[in-house]
Amino acid sequence: EADIYQTPRYLVIGTGKKITLECSQTMGHDKMYWYQQDPGMELHLIHYSYGVNSTEKGDLSSESTVSRIRTEHFPLTLESARPSHTSQYLCASSAPGGSYEQYFGPGTRLTVT
Amino acid sequence: AQSVSQHNHHVILSEAASLELGCNYSYGGTVNLFWYVQYPGQHLQLLLKYFSGDPLVKGIKGFEAEFIKSKFSFNLRKPSVQWSDTAEYFCAVNRGGSARQLTFGSGTQLTVLP
Repeated sequence: EADIYQTPRYLVIGTGKKITLECSQTMGHDKMYWYQQDPGMELHLIHYSYGVNSTEKGDLSSESTVSRIRTEHFPLTLESARPSHTSQYLCASSAPGGSYEQYFGPGTRLTVT
Repeated sequence: AQSVSQHNHHVILSEAASLELGCNYSYGGTVNLFWYVQYPGQHLQLLLKYFSGDPLVKGIKGFEAEFIKSKFSFNLRKPSVQWSDTAEYFCAVNRGGSARQLTFGSGTQLTVLP
């Protein structure tokens, strides 16, 4: 089983609050990803990182931001949460080299009221 | 833009029935192909993958998939499903050489009746 962790698992928060979703992996993977998934829909890549101090936006535009100060840690922040941010957020990582296999965390289900 | 299509949104089968879930992608170049599964309340986990070589790949729990390049397809199969196979199944495609671009299909919810 992959060692990738996300906290919190569930979060209900009011509009305008700042939130940070945590993601950590203990596998030494260099690449990390954030996906957004609405119920019954595909996963959409919103951020990715090739390594420390490297972050890029994904295919789906998102108001969230990410940072990668340490290899194992890839937090996602929303400065001012809105109901449109309600979704599931999945973190993933993959190993160095040519392996494109991604390992996923359990996800954070965010509800903004 | 690259897209991945899973034609069946919800499949209901009885135990011991055979399973085939369709997956088609739109990119014409070199691709790496994956099937992921998400059991209720659990992480997304890799079921099987195709990078090169034998187009028939075998994964965990008796699943297999066949890559048919001419049809841009990577269908998932299992000869005899079990109740424990109830889960959501996602097909994903990575364009060779681009480590970030894993494009997912919308998923197929499989329900196996005991």
